[in-house]
Amino acid sequence: NAGVTQTPKFQVLKTGQSMTLQCAQDMNHEYMSWYRQDPGMGLRLIHYSVGAGITDQGEVPNGYNVSRSTTEDFPLRLLSAAPSQTSVYFCASRAATEAFFGQGTRLTVV
Amino acid sequence: KQEVTQIPAALSVPEGENLVLNCSFTDSAIYNLQWFRQDPGKGLTSLLLIQSSQREQTSGRLNASLDKSSGRSTLYIAASQPGDSATYLCAPKGDTGKLIFGQGTTLQVKP
Repeated sequence: NAGVTQTPKFQVLKTGQSMTLQCAQDMNHEYMSWYRQDPGMGLRLIHYSVGAGITDQGEVPNGYNVSRSTTEDFPLRLLSAAPSQTSVYFCASRAATEAFFGQGTRLTVV
Repeated sequence: KQEVTQIPAALSVPEGENLVLNCSFTDSAIYNLQWFRQDPGKGLTSLLLIQSSQREQTSGRLNASLDKSSGRSTLYIAASQPGDSATYLCAPKGDTGKLIFGQGTTLQVKP
C-alpha cells in the first residue's frame, strides 16, 4: 500500500528557476491538497482539488500553480522560485473522512 | 474564517504520566476533527478521527474527545512513553472540505 507518494524528498533551487513537485495517490481519493509547513506558521493550505479537472486556491496560493488531469496525480508547480518559498511541502488526499499525508518535500531556494 | 489554537505549544513530562493536549477552534460548524502525529523531519500520521456526531474516539492509549458546541477537542495520552515524543496536530474539517491546522503541541517524554 503506497498511500500518498511525494517526489522529490529534497530539492535545492536557484531563485527564478521553475520546478514541479509530484504527488500521487493510489487510494482513488477525489480530494487532494497541498500544504506548506514553516516554523511558527503551522501547515497552510496552498491549493486543493475536489476531483479531476477541478482545482481551487487555498490560503497561500501566490507563486504556485496546480492541475488535476487524473484522480491519482496532483502536481504543484513553482513557476519562478523565490527564497520565500523555502519550506517543507506536504501533499494530502482523502475520501469522505480521514486524510492521509505524504512524507513531504523539503525545498530550499537560494 | 476557521482558526485553530493548540495549548500548550510545548510539553515535557516524565515517562508514565497521563497527559492532555488541547485544541480549540473558532467555527463550530465542522464535519469532523482529526488528530495527527508528526515526528521530526517526517510527514503526518493520522491518529484519530472524530465525526461531528461523536463525543469521543479511542485507539489504544489515546482518547480524543470533541465538544463541537464549545469549539474544543482534547487528546488524552495514557501512561506516556518516550516513543510518544512528537508534535501533535489537530485539524477540524469544515463545510468547504478543507483541513485547517493548529500549530501543534510538541511533546517530549523523558525516560
